[in-house]
Amino acid sequence: QKEVEQDPGPLSVPEGAIVSLNCTYSNSAFQYFMWYRQYSRKGPELLMYTYSSGNKEDGRFTAQVDKSSKYISLFIRDSQPSDSATYLCAMSSRNSGNTPLVFGKGTRLSVIA
Amino acid sequence: DTAVSQTPKYLVTQMGNDKSIKCEQNLGHDTMYWYKQDSKKFLKIMFSYNNKELIINETVPNRFSPKSPDKAHLNLHINSLELGDSAVYFCASSQYLGTKNIQYFGAGTRLSVL
Repeated sequence: QKEVEQDPGPLSVPEGAIVSLNCTYSNSAFQYFMWYRQYSRKGPELLMYTYSSGNKEDGRFTAQVDKSSKYISLFIRDSQPSDSATYLCAMSSRNSGNTPLVFGKGTRLSVIA
Repeated sequence: DTAVSQTPKYLVTQMGNDKSIKCEQNLGHDTMYWYKQDSKKFLKIMFSYNNKELIINETVPNRFSPKSPDKAHLNLHINSLELGDSAVYFCASSQYLGTKNIQYFGAGTRLSVL
């Protein structure tokens, strides 16, 4: 079993839909959870950063972490064609540079106008 | 003003050749990384350097040798290239301690070994 599992999709939704992206993980030491967005032929860019369990909202994006279930989610409200990208979850056990981020495989999202 | 820049963007070469990829960051970070993203889009850490010192060295063939001349630069040299080395290689940087371990990525170097 991989440390981080993420459904690769692809996921195709109409503009305005609510999108739900998810990752599960096996390492209970993970405490820091991130979502990165990667446009085609570009590097990943950080979208959301959360620590431990709970919710975090930023505009149309909401990140949820449920450590008891080892499950994290990213919700996108009122999805736009510009949200079409690959979304990668990432996590680490410590907040320091010598602790590698462990990434999911990424979910490819297409928002159709 | 690109924060993390890699050169070249594309690299096409023959099996057995030696090649280098360069990375520079202007964010003032002290930690830099190399990641490999394979054809299935799986992003995996290869190396990490903090202030020119190697701190993460995942299981990577020793044909791959990173070099950090200063904390703003981390280059990757690959000897005797093999078909399986074809991938996109990403450089990233972050600040080691005291802030969130947010990594900033370059645009990637797409390596094709023929």
